[in-house]
Amino acid sequence: EAGVAQSPRYKIIEKRQSVAFWCNPISGHATLYWYQQILGQGPKLLIQFQNNGVVDDSQLPKDRFSAERLKGVDSTLKIQPAKLEDSAVYLCASSLETGQGVNEQFFGPGTRLTVL
Amino acid sequence: SQQGEEDPQALSIQEGENATMNCSYKTSINNLQWYRQNSGRGLVHLILIRSNEREKHSGRLRVTLDTSKKSSSLLITASRAADTASYFCATVYGNNRLAFGKGNQVVVIP
Repeated sequence: EAGVAQSPRYKIIEKRQSVAFWCNPISGHATLYWYQQILGQGPKLLIQFQNNGVVDDSQLPKDRFSAERLKGVDSTLKIQPAKLEDSAVYLCASSLETGQGVNEQFFGPGTRLTVL
Repeated sequence: SQQGEEDPQALSIQEGENATMNCSYKTSINNLQWYRQNSGRGLVHLILIRSNEREKHSGRLRVTLDTSKKSSSLLITASRAADTASYFCATVYGNNRLAFGKGNQVVVIP
């Protein structure tokens, strides 16, 4: 079974530039998550999708970050304009549709972003 | 904050020894999960323990949960070099959302 795919794996940009990350979840997984992991810290949830709808984006800095999952499958996370403090690894995860109980989240390899 | 906090932050042990790391959290939980992260395999789910469970085993892993103290521990027995990684606890809140702690860095010396 193919895992969660992310691209690119690495990205270096200058501050104030824009960047976009792509994620393709495991086939059949209705729920998709984007996390930000700053060096030395644990991942922090940015946004959660259920199919093509946003379930939780309370920790997404909406002045510069945006995300979409238009067809309920793959997703794009964008930062515009980037700041130095956005340097981090951006992880995408997916799980089966959440309802009652807990479903394991499967993580992609992440995109390491460096903002200069 | 829902986030777990692990203690200690860094651990260096000899292969074959046991490694123990702790995690505390601040609010009531339904379950707590432990994850491992290394450069080779990324972030991988290890084990889940529910709030009505006190101890759970999976291979060389043993997890305990004390809801009265809001704490959990992860024990890795007979460590191997391949266990070198960062270990995170995560509490589950809302609709399957995870709040991660800062992580333990474990180095197993061959």
